[in-house]
Amino acid sequence: EEQLLESGGGLVHPGGSLKLSCAASGFPISNFAMTWVRQAPGKRLEWVSTISAASISTYSVDSVKGRFTISRDNSKAEVYLQMDRLSAEDTAIYYCAKDQYSGNKPYFFDSWGQGTLVLVSS
Amino acid sequence: DIVLTQSPDSLAVSLGERATINCRSSQSVFRSSNNKSYLAWYQQKAGQPPKLLMYWASTRASGVPDRFSGSGSGTDFTLTVSGLQAEDVAVYFCQQYDTTPSITFGQGTRLEIK
Repeated sequence: EEQLLESGGGLVHPGGSLKLSCAASGFPISNFAMTWVRQAPGKRLEWVSTISAASISTYSVDSVKGRFTISRDNSKAEVYLQMDRLSAEDTAIYYCAKDQYSGNKPYFFDSWGQGTLVLVSS
Repeated sequence: DIVLTQSPDSLAVSLGERATINCRSSQSVFRSSNNKSYLAWYQQKAGQPPKLLMYWASTRASGVPDRFSGSGSGTDFTLTVSGLQAEDVAVYFCQQYDTTPSITFGQGTRLEIK
């Protein structure tokens, strides 16, 4: 059974940093692009960042470029999201998601973690 | 970015009846090169992550009951739940992946039991 388990969320002050982790199991993570999607309270889901299967390419939504960095360690079956210079607008549940198809860009996601809450507040 | 607009924002349907949710895209997500519409649907129950229901607009994901169906092409899409069951109470989202990696989601439609 495919499983994704996020960790690392919490309360952080504006301007602070957090690093999220996503531990994958039940599938060969090295074959798949991995993505972070967030859901702010009362708002639609928002794609945040994707890393290709072999870490050659990364993609991010404009609002986090220069502040968030996605990375992965296939040997550990983990994906990470380093979030710097956080603001209240980054408050959301952050989900780790796996694409249904092997590849390097996000398409649609057949496995999701339970999410980890990031709360940016003073 | 492609904007997806769902309608209605919420609806209440009686058990056993049909629920219809619409998703309109600000531009076509159909590719004539492969005759596919780059649109997916998800179901999100309270306190849970989204669950993939449909992809390529009308292909049911693994394990999804056949009372769920998807249709449409170009800019207008529909998710239909036939024979509504209590377990179908959820928020439903559409998502386009035509402009990958810049994928976008609809605002969601809340489905309740009347």
